[in-house]
Amino acid sequence: ELKVEQNPLFLSMQEEKNYTIYCNYSTTSDRLYWYRQDPGKSLESLFVLLSNGAVKQEGRLMASLDTKARLSTLHITAAVHDLSATYFCAVEYAGGTSYGKLTFGQGTILTVHP
Amino acid sequence: EAGVVQSPRYKIIEKKQPVAFWCNPISGHNTLYWYLQNLGQGPELLIRYENEEAVDDSQLPKDRFSAERLKGVDSTLKIQPAELGDSAVYLCASSLGGTVQETQYFGPGTRLLVL
Repeated sequence: ELKVEQNPLFLSMQEEKNYTIYCNYSTTSDRLYWYRQDPGKSLESLFVLLSNGAVKQEGRLMASLDTKARLSTLHITAAVHDLSATYFCAVEYAGGTSYGKLTFGQGTILTVHP
Repeated sequence: EAGVVQSPRYKIIEKKQPVAFWCNPISGHNTLYWYLQNLGQGPELLIRYENEEAVDDSQLPKDRFSAERLKGVDSTLKIQPAELGDSAVYLCASSLGGTVQETQYFGPGTRLLVL
């Protein structure tokens, strides 16, 4: 059974600081996704990482994937209040009947304060 | 382009009552998913459709949950009878599907409270 673990689960950051959220998964994966969820809202796709060494950046967020270590990171640079949300990583395993099935981590609740 | 549409957005019912949720995926998306999200957790897949066929329903509690996607577009998820533990957010997602692995786009969800 595929397991996905994120840490930390709670992250309180000051504005302008940098921090990293980690996502570990237990079995070989085909794709790794990062989603953002605001309170009471649905999930918004941030990044899709397809291969070992993949790195994607959008604004103050940068995601990377190390398939050998089964680890993805979401790095936040110079945080601003608008980044406050819950961030989920999700792993897709395309084997057998699990094709297209996403297994999500527990989520990291990020709060950015002055 | 319209996103995934779900209704109702909120539903409060008493235990043992039936409830149904509706989802309209993004136009042209063949694959449709229903997820369950408990408070403070990530979504968990309940069922996945490729067009009108349920290709993965292994996580759907079939004693009380049912789903259909009769014409391969809209889908309905039903619970009968509802239990207190069913209180959660029910998310619908869609993707292009087929042989192409595509990003899943999520709807706003239906927040269910069972009293």
